Amino acid sequence: SQTIHQWPATLVQPVGSPLSLECTVEGTSNPNLYWYRQAAGRGLQLLFYSVGIGQISSEVPQNLSASRPQDRQFILSSKKLLLSDSGFYLCASTGRSYEQYFGPGTRLTVT
Amino acid sequence: GQQVMQIPQYQHVQEGEDFTTYCNSSTTLSNIQWYKQRPGGHPVFLIQLVKSGEVKKQKRLTFQFGEAKKNSSLHITATQTTDVGTYFCAGDSADSGGYQKVTFGTGTKLQVIP
Repeated sequence: SQTIHQWPATLVQPVGSPLSLECTVEGTSNPNLYWYRQAAGRGLQLLFYSVGIGQISSEVPQNLSASRPQDRQFILSSKKLLLSDSGFYLCASTGRSYEQYFGPGTRLTVT
Repeated sequence: GQQVMQIPQYQHVQEGEDFTTYCNSSTTLSNIQWYKQRPGGHPVFLIQLVKSGEVKKQKRLTFQFGEAKKNSSLHITATQTTDVGTYFCAGDSADSGGYQKVTFGTGTKLQVIP
């Protein structure tokens, strides 16, 4: 089975500061990778997905970007954080039947 | 775009009572997945249904996929406090082009009163 690693677990950043969240996957190769954001008590909003190295599809226009420099590495970035970027960021990878496995998530608070 | 709604949004039940959450898609789905998210945790995959009218069971949990492949349900028999959490359905649109970009439902938050 695969394991999804995300760090840090929690992060407090001031408005206007940059952001870099990293996700790495073990136990699989060439997965589809996803970044989701979840506001407190809400559902999952798909931000980006990738079907291969260097291939990124954006779902929601915003000041975030994503990159996939390696097969099992997915990075979420921002040059200048906004208050509205606060939330629970989850990385996910697909299994053999395209079920999704989630990492532990990063709780981001922008102050 | 595709929308997936779940009802109810919240449900409080007495321990031992049954619970059902319903999932409805605006488009025909190629499959439906169900996830459980414990408070403070991340979503965990429970099951996937693919066939029209399919029914699957996991112990006290029964999952159904509608005949038209536009709706699904999760039924829990005799709830326990360990069932607490938010249950999400997620559907892959039949015309998604094979990218497996599922759309998550709005979720049903279950609280079990001991």
